[in-house]
Amino acid sequence: EAQVTQNPRYLITVTGKKLTVTCSQNMNHEYMSWYRQDPGLGLRQIYYSMNVEVTDKGDVPEGYKVSRKEKRNFPLILESPSPNQTSLYFCASSWNGLNEKLFFGSGTQLSVL
Amino acid sequence: AQRVTQPEKLLSVFKGAPVELKCNYSYSGSPELFWYVQYSRQRLQLLLRHISRESIKGFTADLNKGETSFHLKKPFAQEEDSAMYYCALRDPYSGAGSYQLTFGKGTKLSVIP
Repeated sequence: EAQVTQNPRYLITVTGKKLTVTCSQNMNHEYMSWYRQDPGLGLRQIYYSMNVEVTDKGDVPEGYKVSRKEKRNFPLILESPSPNQTSLYFCASSWNGLNEKLFFGSGTQLSVL
Repeated sequence: AQRVTQPEKLLSVFKGAPVELKCNYSYSGSPELFWYVQYSRQRLQLLLRHISRESIKGFTADLNKGETSFHLKKPFAQEEDSAMYYCALRDPYSGAGSYQLTFGKGTKLSVIP
């Protein structure tokens, strides 16, 4: 089944403890992206990647890192998480990021204490 | 920078009544606009895009460049339409920025039986 898979679904951590949220797609998509969803703020883009080894900042990149070493994987890294990064995170992918539809993962609910 | 405004956080309508979810954008050129929907416990998914001029699940949306709007409409609401709806915009002429999809804050539609 064609899909975007995120892990974990839920994560509780403490301030400063490095964590990684994984994202994988099996559709051979070139474009992948991370969003965070917060009440009253909607979806905001964190980082995106147009292809392997090509990444760029979205609207809210501070405190996050990404890497795209392989086409299928696009992990989101929080080197030193803080409580304001408590949010629902979505990974998405599409063929080339231009006008065709985005496929979303099921989300990762992160709580930073 | 482009901006997408969804003025209503919550919209409640009775089953069978017409629905209009508002979306206004600020952008000077010819944007590409989308509606995404998130049903309860499901992934965010594309509902429709203006370039396709399609009708999905009875919903339509017309791009009005004069009013810079892309309102989502359905003549007769159904209970299964209850969901979170996001309007999104892409600037196809901004080079690397063309890969960014800007979302509104979302409108929660509640259809009352």
